[in-house]
Formats: sequence, structure tokens, C-alpha cells
Amino acid sequence: GAVVSQHPSRVICKSGTSVKIECRSLDFQATTMFWYRQFPKQSLMLMATSNEGSKATYEQGVEKDKFLINHASLTLSTLTVTSAHPEDSSFYICSARQTENYGYTFGSGTRLTVV
Amino acid sequence: EDKVVQSPLSLVVHEGDTVTLNCSYEVTNFRSLLWYKQEKKAPTFLFMLTSSGIEKKSGRLSSILDKKELFSILNITATQTGDSAVYLCAVPTYYNDMRFGAGTRLTVKP
Repeated sequence: GAVVSQHPSRVICKSGTSVKIECRSLDFQATTMFWYRQFPKQSLMLMATSNEGSKATYEQGVEKDKFLINHASLTLSTLTVTSAHPEDSSFYICSARQTENYGYTFGSGTRLTVV
Repeated sequence: EDKVVQSPLSLVVHEGDTVTLNCSYEVTNFRSLLWYKQEKKAPTFLFMLTSSGIEKKSGRLSSILDKKELFSILNITATQTGDSAVYLCAVPTYYNDMRFGAGTRLTVKP
């Protein structure tokens, strides 16, 4: 079955630094990937949709200059949280869609803590 | 290592059929298990289960947890084409992050 690998699973960084999160589709080509954010006791919140080879589409309220998304190949998407602040501490999870008619596969998520 | 395993990964049925989706887990300091339905983008929340043997129902959907055997099932009766979606099982870990299963892709044919 389709597998999406997300790394790192947990990261702690200092305020003002940048953190990169990777999401890889291991056995299929992901034409579309989604990045979610989850606050405690809440459901996933879609941050952005990225399509291979084109710019990501950000949801309303999500700062595109702060959350840089790159989907340069059919198997890799990255989310970079730039100039991180404590309020960026959250759980980030990616999801990949193989084709228009295929379901979604989630990565295992990344717990980001900014201190 | 915390782990959530769903089965089957894919299921195709016809309208009116009843389906059972499975989720097993291995999580340190278990507190709850959640079910989500995902159709287009963000998954939508279905149930949160914390106690064994207590069935939760919402219309044609129901779910139950077995904390002794470390699994949960999600039942959908009299399925409709609108039930076609990916159903996700997730468990918060000791560190409060959510470990998701790979999902079950349900297709309901007319």
C-alpha cells in the first residue's frame, strides 16, 4: 500500500531559527500533498496544498512567507517554518494523494516545539 | 514505538451493505482513540473513544473500543455513496502528538 514517510517526528528549536520538515511518498508518486497543523484537542487544520512543480496554495490565514512549502519532485514535499516562534509550536502532518481517484495517505506527523 | 494499524486499507461495497473498519494500536500511556472521515481535504472528526465497551453512535455510524485487546471498530450500516471516503483512526501519544493509521479507503458503489 501507499506509504508516506515524514521526518523528523519530533523537533525542538530556538526562537528565530528555521525548521524543515520532510514528507516523502515511498512507493508512489504524489502529485498533490497537503500540510496540516493540529492544536491540542483539535482536529487537523489544512495549511496548504502543494502540487508538484507549482506554487503551493495556502489556506486563508496561513502566512506563506512563514511556512515555506516546496514540492520539487513527485516524491518529496518540504515545509519550512521560518523564524519560528513559540506560538508555532504545534503538530504538523502531511498527506499525499497519488492520483485524482486515489485516497489520501498521511505521514506520521512532526511535533514542533519552539523554545 | 507507538503504532496504529488500520485494516483493510481498501474496501469496495454496494449501497445498503454494512461495513466494519478495524483499528489496532500500541501506544504508551493510552488515553483515547479517534476516528476521522476524509473526503476531499481536511479530515472531519467522527468519534473519540476513551472507555472500553461503550458504543458511540451517530446516525448510521457507530464505534466501540476494546482497551484490553487494543483495538477499535467503526461500523457503517446501510452504506450510501456519500460514505465513500478515507476513514482514519488516530491515537494521541504520550507526547500529545497524534499517531494516525494509514486509513481505510471505502468506496460505495450505487
